Amino acid sequence: DSGVTQTPKHLITATGQRVTLRCSPRSGDLSVYWYQQSLDQGLQFLIQYYNGEERAKGNILERFSAQQFPDLHSELNLSSLELGDSALYFCASSVGQGRTNEQFFGPGTRLTVL
Amino acid sequence: QKEVEQDPGPLSVPEGAIVSLNCTYSNSAFQYFMWYRQYSRKGPELLMYTYSSGNKEDGRFTAQVDKSSKYISLFIRDSQPSDSATYLCAMRETGGFKTIFGAGTRLFVKA
Repeated sequence: DSGVTQTPKHLITATGQRVTLRCSPRSGDLSVYWYQQSLDQGLQFLIQYYNGEERAKGNILERFSAQQFPDLHSELNLSSLELGDSALYFCASSVGQGRTNEQFFGPGTRLTVL
Repeated sequence: QKEVEQDPGPLSVPEGAIVSLNCTYSNSAFQYFMWYRQYSRKGPELLMYTYSSGNKEDGRFTAQVDKSSKYISLFIRDSQPSDSATYLCAMRETGGFKTIFGAGTRLFVKA
Protein backbone atom coordinates (compact mmCIF):
# COMPACT_ATOMS: atom_id res chain seq x y z
CA ASP A 1 0.00 0.00 0.00
CA SER A 2 1.56 3.27 -1.18
CA GLY A 3 -0.47 5.49 1.14
CA VAL A 4 -2.11 7.29 -1.79
CA THR A 5 -5.84 6.78 -1.98
CA GLN A 6 -8.10 7.25 -4.97
CA THR A 7 -11.86 7.14 -5.25
CA PRO A 8 -13.84 5.73 -6.83
CA LYS A 9 -12.13 2.50 -7.93
CA HIS A 10 -14.44 2.07 -10.89
CA LEU A 11 -16.64 4.50 -12.75
CA ILE A 12 -19.00 3.73 -15.61
CA THR A 13 -20.69 6.61 -17.35
CA ALA A 14 -22.03 7.72 -20.70
CA THR A 15 -20.63 9.96 -23.40
CA GLY A 16 -21.16 13.64 -22.78
CA GLN A 17 -21.21 13.26 -19.01
CA ARG A 18 -18.95 14.81 -16.41
CA VAL A 19 -17.11 12.97 -13.64
CA THR A 20 -14.81 13.85 -10.76
CA LEU A 21 -11.95 11.66 -9.61
CA ARG A 22 -10.52 12.19 -6.16
CA CYS A 23 -7.02 11.64 -4.78
CA SER A 24 -5.59 11.90 -1.28
CA PRO A 25 -1.78 12.03 -1.22
CA ARG A 26 0.45 10.36 1.32
CA SER A 27 0.68 12.15 4.61
CA GLY A 28 3.29 14.90 4.29
CA ASP A 29 3.45 14.88 0.49
CA LEU A 30 2.89 18.28 -1.11
CA SER A 31 2.96 17.32 -4.79
CA VAL A 32 0.17 15.54 -6.61
CA TYR A 33 0.41 14.24 -10.15
CA TRP A 34 -2.31 12.89 -12.44
CA TYR A 35 -1.69 10.33 -15.15
CA GLN A 36 -3.84 8.61 -17.74
CA GLN A 37 -3.03 5.04 -18.75
CA SER A 38 -4.64 3.46 -21.78
CA LEU A 39 -3.65 0.38 -23.74
CA ASP A 40 -2.53 2.26 -26.83
CA GLN A 41 -0.96 5.33 -25.19
CA GLY A 42 0.78 3.96 -22.12
CA LEU A 43 1.14 6.16 -19.03
CA GLN A 44 0.62 9.79 -19.94
CA PHE A 45 1.38 12.67 -17.59
CA LEU A 46 -1.56 15.05 -17.31
CA ILE A 47 -0.85 17.65 -14.66
CA GLN A 48 1.04 18.34 -11.42
CA TYR A 49 0.15 20.45 -8.40
CA TYR A 50 2.46 21.49 -5.61
CA ASN A 51 0.98 22.82 -2.39
CA GLY A 52 -2.16 24.00 -4.13
CA GLU A 53 -0.54 25.54 -7.21
CA GLU A 54 -0.30 24.14 -10.69
CA ARG A 55 3.35 23.33 -11.50
CA ALA A 56 3.43 21.43 -14.76
CA LYS A 57 1.07 20.46 -17.52
CA GLY A 58 1.33 17.53 -19.85
CA ASN A 59 -1.05 16.24 -22.47
CA ILE A 60 -4.19 17.33 -20.65
CA LEU A 61 -7.23 18.05 -22.77
CA GLU A 62 -9.15 21.29 -22.35
CA ARG A 63 -12.16 19.22 -21.30
CA PHE A 64 -10.14 18.08 -18.27
CA SER A 65 -9.29 20.21 -15.28
CA ALA A 66 -7.81 19.62 -11.87
CA GLN A 67 -7.23 21.37 -8.60
CA GLN A 68 -5.50 20.79 -5.30
CA PHE A 69 -7.27 21.89 -2.16
CA PRO A 70 -5.82 23.41 1.05
CA ASP A 71 -5.91 19.98 2.70
CA LEU A 72 -3.77 18.80 -0.26
CA HIS A 73 -6.26 16.37 -1.71
CA SER A 74 -6.79 16.75 -5.43
CA GLU A 75 -9.63 16.30 -7.85
CA LEU A 76 -9.53 15.64 -11.58
CA ASN A 77 -12.62 16.75 -13.45
CA LEU A 78 -13.40 15.19 -16.82
CA SER A 79 -16.23 16.70 -18.84
CA SER A 80 -17.97 16.10 -22.17
CA LEU A 81 -16.70 12.55 -21.94
CA GLU A 82 -15.88 10.63 -25.09
CA LEU A 83 -15.40 6.91 -25.66
CA GLY A 84 -11.67 7.51 -25.99
CA ASP A 85 -11.48 8.83 -22.44
CA SER A 86 -11.95 5.29 -21.13
CA ALA A 87 -8.73 4.53 -19.29
CA LEU A 88 -7.08 4.06 -15.93
CA TYR A 89 -6.44 7.35 -14.16
CA PHE A 90 -3.64 7.34 -11.61
CA CYS A 91 -2.76 9.86 -9.00
CA ALA A 92 0.75 9.98 -7.56
CA SER A 93 2.26 12.06 -4.80
CA SER A 94 5.72 13.07 -3.72
CA VAL A 95 7.24 15.06 -0.89
CA GLY A 96 8.56 17.87 -3.08
CA GLN A 97 8.65 18.73 -6.74
CA GLY A 98 10.95 17.86 -9.62
CA ARG A 99 14.38 16.28 -9.20
CA THR A 100 14.39 12.74 -7.92
CA ASN A 101 11.40 12.98 -5.67
CA GLU A 102 9.98 9.48 -5.73
CA GLN A 103 6.40 9.40 -6.87
CA PHE A 104 4.08 7.05 -5.03
CA PHE A 105 1.14 5.91 -7.11
CA GLY A 106 -2.39 5.23 -5.97
CA PRO A 107 -4.39 2.19 -7.07
CA GLY A 108 -6.08 4.11 -9.87
CA THR A 109 -9.63 4.79 -11.01
CA ARG A 110 -10.87 2.76 -13.94
CA LEU A 111 -13.14 4.92 -16.06
CA THR A 112 -15.39 3.34 -18.65
CA VAL A 113 -17.32 5.61 -21.00
CA LEU A 114 -20.16 3.88 -22.84
CA GLN B 1 8.88 9.84 -32.77
CA LYS B 2 8.17 9.29 -29.09
CA GLU B 3 10.63 10.72 -26.58
CA VAL B 4 10.94 7.32 -24.93
CA GLU B 5 10.68 4.03 -26.79
CA GLN B 6 10.11 0.72 -25.05
CA ASP B 7 9.21 -2.64 -26.57
CA PRO B 8 5.82 -3.64 -25.11
CA GLY B 9 6.63 -7.36 -25.35
CA PRO B 10 5.32 -9.64 -24.00
CA LEU B 11 8.55 -11.21 -22.86
CA SER B 12 8.29 -14.76 -21.55
CA VAL B 13 11.20 -16.42 -19.74
CA PRO B 14 11.68 -19.52 -17.57
CA GLU B 15 12.20 -19.15 -13.84
CA GLY B 16 15.84 -18.46 -13.00
CA ALA B 17 16.63 -16.71 -16.28
CA ILE B 18 18.35 -13.35 -16.53
CA VAL B 19 15.95 -10.78 -17.92
CA SER B 20 17.04 -7.72 -19.86
CA LEU B 21 14.60 -4.84 -20.32
CA ASN B 22 15.53 -1.80 -22.36
CA CYS B 23 14.48 1.70 -23.35
CA THR B 24 15.85 4.21 -25.80
CA TYR B 25 15.25 7.93 -25.68
CA SER B 26 15.80 10.97 -27.83
CA ASN B 27 16.02 13.85 -25.34
CA SER B 28 19.66 14.36 -24.36
CA ALA B 29 18.54 16.57 -21.45
CA PHE B 30 17.18 13.60 -19.51
CA GLN B 31 19.30 13.09 -16.41
CA TYR B 32 17.09 11.06 -14.06
CA PHE B 33 16.23 7.55 -15.13
CA MET B 34 13.78 5.33 -13.32
CA TRP B 35 12.27 1.88 -13.55
CA TYR B 36 8.80 1.19 -12.24
CA ARG B 37 7.08 -2.16 -11.80
CA GLN B 38 3.34 -2.42 -12.26
CA TYR B 39 1.36 -5.49 -11.30
CA SER B 40 -1.99 -6.08 -12.95
CA ARG B 41 -4.69 -3.73 -11.66
CA LYS B 42 -2.21 -1.87 -9.43
CA GLY B 43 -0.39 1.44 -9.61
CA PRO B 44 3.28 1.55 -10.65
CA GLU B 45 5.89 1.32 -7.89
CA LEU B 46 9.43 2.66 -8.14
CA LEU B 47 12.09 -0.07 -8.40
CA MET B 48 15.27 1.79 -9.21
CA TYR B 49 16.44 5.25 -10.12
CA THR B 50 19.78 6.42 -11.52
CA TYR B 51 21.20 9.87 -12.02
CA SER B 52 23.15 10.41 -15.25
CA SER B 53 25.25 7.50 -16.53
CA GLY B 54 26.43 4.38 -14.79
CA ASN B 55 25.18 1.29 -13.04
CA LYS B 56 23.18 0.77 -9.91
CA GLU B 57 22.54 -2.52 -8.23
CA ASP B 58 19.86 -3.48 -5.72
CA GLY B 59 19.55 -7.15 -4.90
CA ARG B 60 18.61 -9.04 -8.04
CA PHE B 61 18.08 -5.82 -10.01
CA THR B 62 20.70 -3.81 -11.90
CA ALA B 63 19.97 -0.58 -13.74
CA GLN B 64 22.35 0.70 -16.41
CA VAL B 65 22.37 4.04 -18.19
CA ASP B 66 24.39 4.74 -21.31
CA LYS B 67 23.84 8.40 -22.11
CA SER B 68 26.14 8.35 -25.13
CA SER B 69 23.81 5.83 -26.77
CA LYS B 70 20.64 7.19 -25.13
CA TYR B 71 19.91 3.67 -23.89
CA ILE B 72 18.92 2.35 -20.48
CA SER B 73 18.54 -1.19 -19.24
CA LEU B 74 17.16 -3.10 -16.30
CA PHE B 75 18.54 -6.55 -15.60
CA ILE B 76 16.77 -9.03 -13.35
CA ARG B 77 18.85 -11.97 -12.16
CA ASP B 78 17.39 -15.28 -11.02
CA SER B 79 13.95 -14.21 -12.20
CA GLN B 80 10.97 -15.46 -10.20
CA PRO B 81 7.29 -15.92 -11.11
CA SER B 82 6.59 -13.05 -8.72
CA ASP B 83 8.56 -10.79 -11.08
CA SER B 84 5.80 -11.21 -13.66
CA ALA B 85 4.56 -7.66 -14.19
CA THR B 86 4.82 -4.72 -16.54
CA TYR B 87 8.06 -2.76 -16.26
CA LEU B 88 8.03 0.89 -17.20
CA CYS B 89 11.07 3.04 -17.76
CA ALA B 90 10.73 6.73 -16.93
CA MET B 91 12.90 9.78 -17.38
CA ARG B 92 13.10 13.40 -16.31
CA GLU B 93 15.26 16.43 -17.09
CA THR B 94 17.26 18.11 -14.33
CA GLY B 95 14.93 20.64 -12.77
CA GLY B 96 12.09 19.29 -14.85
CA PHE B 97 8.70 18.51 -13.44
CA LYS B 98 7.41 16.16 -16.10
CA THR B 99 8.27 12.48 -15.97
CA ILE B 100 8.06 10.77 -19.34
CA PHE B 101 7.19 7.09 -19.22
CA GLY B 102 7.86 4.35 -21.73
CA ALA B 103 4.97 2.18 -22.88
CA GLY B 104 6.00 -0.63 -20.52
CA THR B 105 7.20 -4.18 -21.22
CA ARG B 106 5.02 -7.07 -20.04
CA LEU B 107 7.16 -9.80 -18.47
CA PHE B 108 6.03 -13.33 -17.74
CA VAL B 109 8.28 -15.62 -15.70
CA LYS B 110 7.20 -19.23 -16.00
CA ALA B 111 7.66 -21.62 -13.07
